[in-house]
Amino acid sequence: GAVVSQHPSWVICKSGTSVKIECRSLDFQATTMFWYRQFPKQSLMLMATSNEGSKATYEQGVEKDKFLINHASLTLSTLTVTSAHPEDSSFYICSARRDRDSYEQYFGPGTRLTVT
Amino acid sequence: GDSVTQMEGPVTLSEEAFLTINCTYTATGYPSLFWYVQYPGEGLQLLLKATKADDKGSNKGFEATYRKETTSFHLEKGSVQVSDSAVYFCALSEAAQKLVFGQGTRLTINP
Repeated sequence: GAVVSQHPSWVICKSGTSVKIECRSLDFQATTMFWYRQFPKQSLMLMATSNEGSKATYEQGVEKDKFLINHASLTLSTLTVTSAHPEDSSFYICSARRDRDSYEQYFGPGTRLTVT
Repeated sequence: GDSVTQMEGPVTLSEEAFLTINCTYTATGYPSLFWYVQYPGEGLQLLLKATKADDKGSNKGFEATYRKETTSFHLEKGSVQVSDSAVYFCALSEAAQKLVFGQGTRLTINP
């Protein structure tokens, strides 16, 4: 159990367009979902935390108007990169947590975004 | 703020060699410590954890001991296998809040 999927696994888009990435918990309900960004040979950096039915909490330095997060249900969260630019090219990873008091997060396989 | 530093990779070993990947942390409180593993093409998986000082986490032959006095959580395995090739991340979390990751260490095991 505790499988998290992401779609798409990779996407190429043109500069100025928007792209949506989906994160789903397949066999459990996720009270909280997290979005990370990973640069080559670097660590995962937390972008935002989202709880179902409420607004996402963004980390310092992350533009909330550029990275729109919607946690519409207990099994789905989406990250939309608006007006994408080449510097937004990265590996985006989501994770999901069952219980608010639990430390354990279950990670999706990631989405590779390339902006041309 | 909290931070995690782990040894830079890549690390390349022969099968059956002994493995150590160093991890040290800085935290304001008393964090829980974790090792995650990322196999090629897959998401991060929790490998082991320790929630208080002197705890030893273990799984799949890997071990790590929470050392408060040296603020360390080094990952060890006595005899590695080719299937252990992956990227390993050390991480901490305070009060079941967000995870703070180290930079990751790529491990390659040659037969």
